[in-house]
Amino acid sequence: EPEVTQTPSHQVTQMGQEVILRCVPISNHLYFYWYRQILGQKVEFLVSFYNNEISEKSEIFDDQFSVERPDGSNFTLKIRSTKLEDSAMYFCASSATGEETQYFGPGTRLLVL
Amino acid sequence: EDQVTQSPEALRLQEGESSSLNCSYTVSGLRGLFWYRQDPGKGPEFLFTLYSAGEEKEKERLKATLTKKESFLHITAPKPEDSATYLCAAFTGGGNKLTFGTGTQLKVEL
Repeated sequence: EPEVTQTPSHQVTQMGQEVILRCVPISNHLYFYWYRQILGQKVEFLVSFYNNEISEKSEIFDDQFSVERPDGSNFTLKIRSTKLEDSAMYFCASSATGEETQYFGPGTRLLVL
Repeated sequence: EDQVTQSPEALRLQEGESSSLNCSYTVSGLRGLFWYRQDPGKGPEFLFTLYSAGEEKEKERLKATLTKKESFLHITAPKPEDSATYLCAAFTGGGNKLTFGTGTQLKVEL
C-alpha cells in the first residue's frame, strides 16, 4: 500500500541552525501539507501546497519557514533559524485531490537545543 | 476561529465494554470530518471521512457518525489492540486544512 515517507526520523539541532525536513508524498497525489505536534498538544496545521504554490498557511508559518517541491517526488520544509519552541514532531501529509483524505507520514521528531 | 473539542480526554475500558467518543466542532464552512488513530510516536492513521450530517461509516469494531454539530466514534466490543489516541479533525477552508481536536486516549484492558 502506498505511504508517505519522511526523513530523518529524528533530528537534533542547535538553536539558530537551519534544518530541512524531507517528505516523499504518495506518488499520484497533488496536494501536500505540513503539520506539527508539540509534545502533549494537538496536531496543528502549518501549510498546504498545490501546483507549486502555497495554498494556505497558518500564523505559525512565519518568515522562518519555507516549503519547496524541488523535484517530482520530494516535498521539503525548511526552518531557517531554529528556536527552542520549534521542538516538535513534524508531519507531512498528502492527498490526491483537495477534497479527499489526507494521509500522514510517520513524522520527524525535531529537538532544538 | 475554528474549534474542535473532543471528550473524554482519556477513557479506560475493559475488553468487550462498548463506548463512544465525542467530537464537537465550531467551524465555518465544514467540508468534512476526519477520524484518525494515533499510536505513541507515530503519525495519524486514517480511519474515516464523513461529509454530511446523517452519514455513518463502519470499519471492524468502529463506527463513525456525523450530525451538524458533532461526530461520534462508537467502539463495539473493543480489544486491547484498539488502545490508541483517537483524533478527529474538521476539514475546512480554501487551503484544505485540517483543524484537529486534542484527542481521546483510549486504553482497553483485559
